[in-house]
Amino acid sequence: GQSLEQPSEVTAVEGAIVQINCTYQTSGFYGLSWYQQHDGGAPTFLSYNALDGLEETGRFSSFLSRSDSYGYLLLQELQMKDSASYFCAALKAAGNKLTFGGGTRVLVKP
Amino acid sequence: DAGITQSPRHKVTETGTPVTLRCHQTENHRYMYWYRQDPGHGLRLIHYSYGVKDTDKGEVSDGYSVSRSKTEDFLLTLESATSSQTSVYFCANADRETGELFFGEGSRLTVL
Repeated sequence: GQSLEQPSEVTAVEGAIVQINCTYQTSGFYGLSWYQQHDGGAPTFLSYNALDGLEETGRFSSFLSRSDSYGYLLLQELQMKDSASYFCAALKAAGNKLTFGGGTRVLVKP
Repeated sequence: DAGITQSPRHKVTETGTPVTLRCHQTENHRYMYWYRQDPGHGLRLIHYSYGVKDTDKGEVSDGYSVSRSKTEDFLLTLESATSSQTSVYFCANADRETGELFFGEGSRLTVL
């Protein structure tokens, strides 16, 4: 089977830094993706890590450690518009399938 | 943007009736997916397709069937809807094996 664990909710203030951890147990693991979803909207792709290490894209960075079956999404210089749910998702090589974690709701306060 | 359109966007139906949700893409992406999203469960894969007439089951496929007779269309059918299938359904596509999926806007289905 496959499972991904991430915290259910995180609250922070504008300008702060938030780290969302994700641990996974997945056979045939290929890489880890992150998605953002605002209330009532569709998930949108943020990043993908196939190799160990840190990937930086603007204010968001994503990290993967394959040996630890662990990754995180780092949100810097938080803005009100960053209030959303964030999902980690494990990619399996066979069939290009993504299995999603339960999501972390991030609430940014003024 | 991978040009995904889902229809209908909202539907209310009764238990035992058949329902078909349509996903249409304007790109010729190889992979297409149907997910359902429920509170506390995140996104769960129902079925996916890796080409015309090539489909496979996901983790919650019971009670659902799919068809892909053309590259651009991926249909999800509930043969006999049940209240447990009340959910928001998302279609997605991908052209490469990079962990990047493009999602449609979702279809909200209510089964009474």
